Amino acid sequence: EVQLVESGGGLVQPGGSLRLSCVASGFTFSDFEMNWIRQAPGKGLEWVSYISGDESTIYYADSVEGRFSVSRDNARNSLFLQMTALRAEDMGVYYCAVSWGYWGQGILVTVSS
Amino acid sequence: DVVMTQSPLSLPVTLGQPASISCRSSQSLLNTDGNTYLSWFQQRPGQSPRRLIYKVSKRDSGVPDRFSGSGSGTDFTLKVSRVEAEDVGVYYCMQGAHWPPITFGQGTRLEIK
Repeated sequence: EVQLVESGGGLVQPGGSLRLSCVASGFTFSDFEMNWIRQAPGKGLEWVSYISGDESTIYYADSVEGRFSVSRDNARNSLFLQMTALRAEDMGVYYCAVSWGYWGQGILVTVSS
Repeated sequence: DVVMTQSPLSLPVTLGQPASISCRSSQSLLNTDGNTYLSWFQQRPGQSPRRLIYKVSKRDSGVPDRFSGSGSGTDFTLKVSRVEAEDVGVYYCMQGAHWPPITFGQGTRLEIK
């Protein structure tokens, strides 16, 4: 059974940093591309970042380019999102997803002073 | 960026009746590889999104056959043949033909009348 479990969210002040993690199980992690998607409170879905299975290809949404960094550790079946210079508009639930067919339960990031 | 426009944004439906959601893209989603990368997601209240349909009309495993997808080019439709109570939620279309960025529609809220 495919499982994706996000962690690392919480309350952070504007300008601060957070590192999200997504631990995967139930599939060969290194074979699959991964995405981060976020959802602001009461709003729709926004794609954030993509990373290929071997980390050779990485993309970001314009809204986070230069502030967020995606990475993965295939030996530990883990995906990461390092978020810096956080803004109020970065607040929301962050999901990791594998090839769009499976999503994690999401983790809440709150940006507030 | 490809803009995805859904209609209606709110869809009250009587139990057992059909429902239809439209999604239009600002450019054709026919990829150079011959595939059309249009997916539909369902997000039930308090849950993560779940993919229902990919490549316009292919149902994901476990998705009831009352859900169907159709369309081509820039016009796509998600149909529910007979709405059940468990179908309440927000439905999103997503394009993966011209990316980055991956883009989603605004979402259509399906409710029981």
